[in-house]
Amino acid sequence: KQEVTQIPAALSVPEGENLVLNCSFTDSAIYNLQWFRQDPGKGLTSLLLIQSSQREQTSGRLNASLDKSSGRSTLYIAASQPGDSATYLCAAVRGSYIPTFGRGTSLIVHP
Amino acid sequence: GAVVSQHPSWVICKSGTSVKIECRSLDFQATTMFWYRQFPKQSLMLMATSNEGSKATYEQGVEKDKFLINHASLTLSTLTVTSAHPEDSSFYICSPKDGADTQYFGPGTRLTVL
Repeated sequence: KQEVTQIPAALSVPEGENLVLNCSFTDSAIYNLQWFRQDPGKGLTSLLLIQSSQREQTSGRLNASLDKSSGRSTLYIAASQPGDSATYLCAAVRGSYIPTFGRGTSLIVHP
Repeated sequence: GAVVSQHPSWVICKSGTSVKIECRSLDFQATTMFWYRQFPKQSLMLMATSNEGSKATYEQGVEKDKFLINHASLTLSTLTVTSAHPEDSSFYICSPKDGADTQYFGPGTRLTVL
């Protein structure tokens, strides 16, 4: 059974810092890995999707990497802003296209 | 981008009553629908998977007679929580998947059972 772990569980940083959020998964036979953002009481917003054959994806200030062999993915946020405050979830998607979610990293960026 | 709506966004009900949550894919056809439940500070947990016109497949530990899922059309799926109890209070998120296997997520429904 796939298990997804995210570290740290919570993070509070001053504006402008570069951040690294970690995600690990136990079963490397994944189809893809996705990073989502969730604002309080809201649904999910897809940020980045990395196919199993890819090593990384970039979108603006966000960069996600994937190392299938070690079962790890990282989300790098450059020059953090208060608007980045949210919970970030990673999800490992297995061959049946069903994602297994981590518990998320709650991020607060203070001015 | 694809639009997914859920209604209601927030519902409060008395213990023992039933609540129906609707999920609509507004500009695409959802061949498969996933329903998730999320407790505070927890990850999303898959409850069930349904294909249009077929019975839903429930994850282990999820009571199919308590959480009724209907996926009668390619743009509408409903989740009915029957005889709701306070422990059913949670955030329910639908997630339709289109024919290209792209998965989208609804904005969620906050259920509070008194």
